[in-house]
Amino acid sequence: QKEVEQNSGPLSVPEGAIASLNCTYSDRGSQSFFWYRQYSGKSPELIMSIYSNGDKEDGRFTAQLNKASQYVSLLIRDSQPSDSATYLCAVHEDGKLTFGQGTILTVHP
Amino acid sequence: KAGVTQTPRYLIKTRGQQVTLSCSPISGHRSVSWYQQTPGQGLQFLFEYFSETQRNKGNFPGRFSGRQFSNSRSEMNVSTLELGDSALYLCASSQDLSQGSLEKLFFGSGTQLSVL
Repeated sequence: QKEVEQNSGPLSVPEGAIASLNCTYSDRGSQSFFWYRQYSGKSPELIMSIYSNGDKEDGRFTAQLNKASQYVSLLIRDSQPSDSATYLCAVHEDGKLTFGQGTILTVHP
Repeated sequence: KAGVTQTPRYLIKTRGQQVTLSCSPISGHRSVSWYQQTPGQGLQFLFEYFSETQRNKGNFPGRFSGRQFSNSRSEMNVSTLELGDSALYLCASSQDLSQGSLEKLFFGSGTQLSVL
């Protein structure tokens, strides 16, 4: 059973801090990795994709990928209360996306 | 460009009934995937259709079925509903989510199904 594991939450950070979300995956053949944000009562929204080892930055978000360690992370700099949501890691495996259980992030003022 | 459209938004059914959910993908997208989301299990993959053919199937019983039409619209059917089928059913589309593809998946708002 191929798995995607996310660090257990919930994660609470103060406004302006860096939030760090982590994810490991079991399929070494995976090539595409995604982070989705899901607000309560809403559907998942794609915020980052990463395909190569290293860092990818987009505004306040940085995705990091280490294929050797089968590890992908998401950093949110200058966290805002509006970033409070569930963050889902997804890995492309065998023609489908497999999702982690999600990490609930709360950013408090 | 319009997003992924799912109907209906909410459904209430009783055990033993059947239900059909509908999904219209983003224009130009040919791949439609269905997911079940529950608080305990998270997002679980149901199946994926491309060009009217089911290419991938998750570990769900045969009561769960789907189809895709020539215009890429998709329907999902659940027969003989059970209480445990209560969940948010999400449809997602991409241009082509084949193996090795780098395509991104875009989700609809979902159908919240309650089975009483």
